[in-house]
Amino acid sequence: RKEVEQDPGPFNVPEGATVAFNCTYSNSASQSFFWYRQDCRKEPKLLMSVYSSGNEDGRFTAQLNRASQYISLLIRDSKLSDSATYLCVALLYGQNFVFGPGTRLSVLP
Amino acid sequence: NAGVTQTPKFQVLKTGQSMTLQCAQDMNHEYMSWYRQDPGMGLRLIHYSVGAGITDQGEVPNGYNVSRSTTEDFPLRLLSAAPSQTSVYFCASSYNGLPGYTFGSGTRLTVV
Repeated sequence: RKEVEQDPGPFNVPEGATVAFNCTYSNSASQSFFWYRQDCRKEPKLLMSVYSSGNEDGRFTAQLNRASQYISLLIRDSKLSDSATYLCVALLYGQNFVFGPGTRLSVLP
Repeated sequence: NAGVTQTPKFQVLKTGQSMTLQCAQDMNHEYMSWYRQDPGMGLRLIHYSVGAGITDQGEVPNGYNVSRSTTEDFPLRLLSAAPSQTSVYFCASSYNGLPGYTFGSGTRLTVV
């Protein structure tokens, strides 16, 4: 079983739609969590950290449920520019970041 | 401020050749790592370093060596290239793990 699992995707949604990505992690000792965005043939870039209390950054909302070992990312009013692969990441300890396989999003005009 | 710089961007090797992928950061980050990314596999950790003179193995270290003689540089050496090492390689750095890594732009390596 992979340590970090994500919805396989791809997600194809119309502009303006709300889309939610789910992620589960297997190691309950995981300390911190992040969402990264990766454009085609580019490097991953940090989108946002995920806090237990939930956090919002504009149209993006991240939630963490430690009891269920579940992380989510909600994108509201999706734009064409949101098309990318979204990576869920767990920090186990030290510098041991574990990346999920990613979920690809295509926002269609 | 260049961030994380990787060279080369593209490389084609023949089986059995050796080479070094370069990575440098100018942010005085303590932590640096090398990942490989393959279709359907996500990013997998090869080696990492928590400071100059300290390195450790990640999930897929076989066939690769690293050293960290300075805070800025963290080269990755392929000892004897194999087709299975065809991949995209990313170097990343972080001050203390939070809020996450800064990645270089990647090296696309093909081993024929």
